[in-house]
Amino acid sequence: GEQVEQRPPHLSVREGDSAVITCTYTDPNSYYFFWYKQEPGASLQLLMKVFSSTEINEGQGFTVLLNKKDKRLSLNLTAAHPGDSAAYFCAVSANTGANTGKLTFGHGTILRVHP
Amino acid sequence: EAAVTQSPRNKVAVTGGKVTLSCNQTNNHNNMYWYRQDTGHGLRLIHYSYGAGSTEKGDIPDGYKASRPSQENFSLILELATPSQTSVYFCASGDQGRGSDYTFGSGTRLLVI
Repeated sequence: GEQVEQRPPHLSVREGDSAVITCTYTDPNSYYFFWYKQEPGASLQLLMKVFSSTEINEGQGFTVLLNKKDKRLSLNLTAAHPGDSAAYFCAVSANTGANTGKLTFGHGTILRVHP
Repeated sequence: EAAVTQSPRNKVAVTGGKVTLSCNQTNNHNNMYWYRQDTGHGLRLIHYSYGAGSTEKGDIPDGYKASRPSQENFSLILELATPSQTSVYFCASGDQGRGSDYTFGSGTRLLVI
């Protein structure tokens, strides 16, 4: 089945710096990609959903890059601020095959942004 | 507002006891999921369901049962709780279509002593 590896498990950056979290996946049928944010003690909230047809997606304060050739997905927080401190999870689902519709999650990255 | 509601929020159980975690969704989603979250393991899928009456085993089903009596409700049952099942449990719902994301509940923190 699908395997998703997420790196790094912990990341500490200064306010104003960028922070990059990367996931690699194995299923060539993977077509939908998600980033979730989990603040301490809270549930997971959807940050962004991207599709295989789009390689660069921009949100408020962050960019998601998809490299289908390398099966790599990254979340780049530009100019991080303390409010970005949270756990981030990538998730992947397939368009066909046994993993269709089912999200497989990375193990998460705990990001700390300090002043 | 559509939501996923879990109960209880916190639970202390004794080893060998029976524990039932409940989940209710108002999203009218066909699919529902139970995950546990542990440090170093991320989210691991225990059981899931495609609709009322259906339950499927996830990646770590041992020691857990699931029940989906209706579209809205999905329960996770620990018949004989063990300390290794101490964890935070999340329920989620998702549409049946390809590319659907999940909506998560607030989680249940379970301590088995």
